[in-house]
Amino acid sequence: DQQVKQNSPSLSVQEGRISILNCDYTNSMFDYFLWYKKYPAEGPTFLISISSIKDKNEDGRFTVFLNKSAKHLSLHIVPSQPGDSAVYFCAVLNAGNMLTFGGGTRLMVKP
Amino acid sequence: GAGVSQSPSNKVTEKGKDVELRCDPISGHTALYWYRQRLGQGLEFLIYFQGNSAPDKSGLPSDRFSAERTGESVSTLTIQRTQQEDSAVYLCASSSGLVPYEQYFGPGTRLTVT
Repeated sequence: DQQVKQNSPSLSVQEGRISILNCDYTNSMFDYFLWYKKYPAEGPTFLISISSIKDKNEDGRFTVFLNKSAKHLSLHIVPSQPGDSAVYFCAVLNAGNMLTFGGGTRLMVKP
Repeated sequence: GAGVSQSPSNKVTEKGKDVELRCDPISGHTALYWYRQRLGQGLEFLIYFQGNSAPDKSGLPSDRFSAERTGESVSTLTIQRTQQEDSAVYLCASSSGLVPYEQYFGPGTRLTVT
């Protein structure tokens, strides 16, 4: 029973275009939603978060959108750069302050 | 170093042997987390420490897995009688507790059970 799902295992985008990574969750009680980025042989690094009371949070080239009615979260990267190529995990913070992660989406940005 | 460190970075062991993985969190971080990532899968929560107590061990997959933490510092994850399905990257993270979702991850230990 996966609480957090990323249905696209991979995504390929041309440099300069928009990358859209999607995530679905099952529990409407989650309070915080996050995106982490992971390069090979490194641990995940926190990228951006959004509280359940908001529907959008922007930080430079990264914007996270939250659609609570659809239980859907997305990360937009624009413009995409080759250095953005990594695995992106969405995560939710549950009541016990635990992070539950999705399975990840590998983003490849082609020069 | 300012970040989370883990050792060893790679471990190859024979099925049935015990292994011990170490995590040094960021100094002053009260919360420590262990996760694992099996090939092609997402991060799977194992155990969480607040200080040296573990309020949530729900993610430990079997009684062959155990973890300890000394005060608010180093933690060890022990896997007894390793099985091939234990092969994974084991990741440790720490946080200050003030912002629990801002977990800082170490580079992981890649465990291969042959």
